[in-house]
Amino acid sequence: DIQMTQSPSSLSASVGDSVTISCRASQGISNFLAWYQQKPGKVPRLLIYAASTLESGVPSRFSGSGSGTDFTLTISSLQPEDVATYYCQKYNSAPQTFGQGTKVEIK
Amino acid sequence: EVQLLESGGGLEQPGGSLRLSCAASGFIFSKYVMTWVRQAPGKGLEWVSSISLSGGRTDYADSVKGRFTISRDDSKNTLYLEMKSLRAEDTAVYHCAKDRVAYGSGSTNPYDIWGQGTMVIVSS
Repeated sequence: DIQMTQSPSSLSASVGDSVTISCRASQGISNFLAWYQQKPGKVPRLLIYAASTLESGVPSRFSGSGSGTDFTLTISSLQPEDVATYYCQKYNSAPQTFGQGTKVEIK
Repeated sequence: EVQLLESGGGLEQPGGSLRLSCAASGFIFSKYVMTWVRQAPGKGLEWVSSISLSGGRTDYADSVKGRFTISRDDSKNTLYLEMKSLRAEDTAVYHCAKDRVAYGSGSTNPYDIWGQGTMVIVSS
């Protein structure tokens, strides 16, 4: 099975900073990659699908890139409401594995 | 409003069984692949199982294969997860989730709607 590895596992940044989270697949998955945001006590929210397409209603400060095995989620200007854990997920075939998550905090 | 509402969780002994339900509303349930995802306390998301349109295809994580069975009743707009031979490591919040697009083929879409989840605790 394809493994999904995120880095870092956690990060702390200041409001307004640009933040980057990486996700690496153990085999190529083309662009079948999604990013989810999970705020404390809430259900996950789809942010990005097809590696770089923003889900409706998601702020434009979120962006995704990559293809094949290496993917990136970028928050261009970190806001207090972005405090959350972010997960990547591959969905080209079962199992639709999630990364282990990246916890984002405000410094 | 599109909604998913899980039920059926609870405390069960190791080796026991539970049946989870997910009631869907606000969309045409029969047109969407549906999925169960779980999250153990303080841990990340784990894909559990997905079911295709009309239930023709089912997929399972290795950790639950042979013990869990996913099914759907399109006449009742309801998704199910039959859980048998429960283990302590099955303890988690179980969410049902809807594919982002209709008429998906198998496990090939992300999820745009998630239920709040139902807690399953496996302990003696």
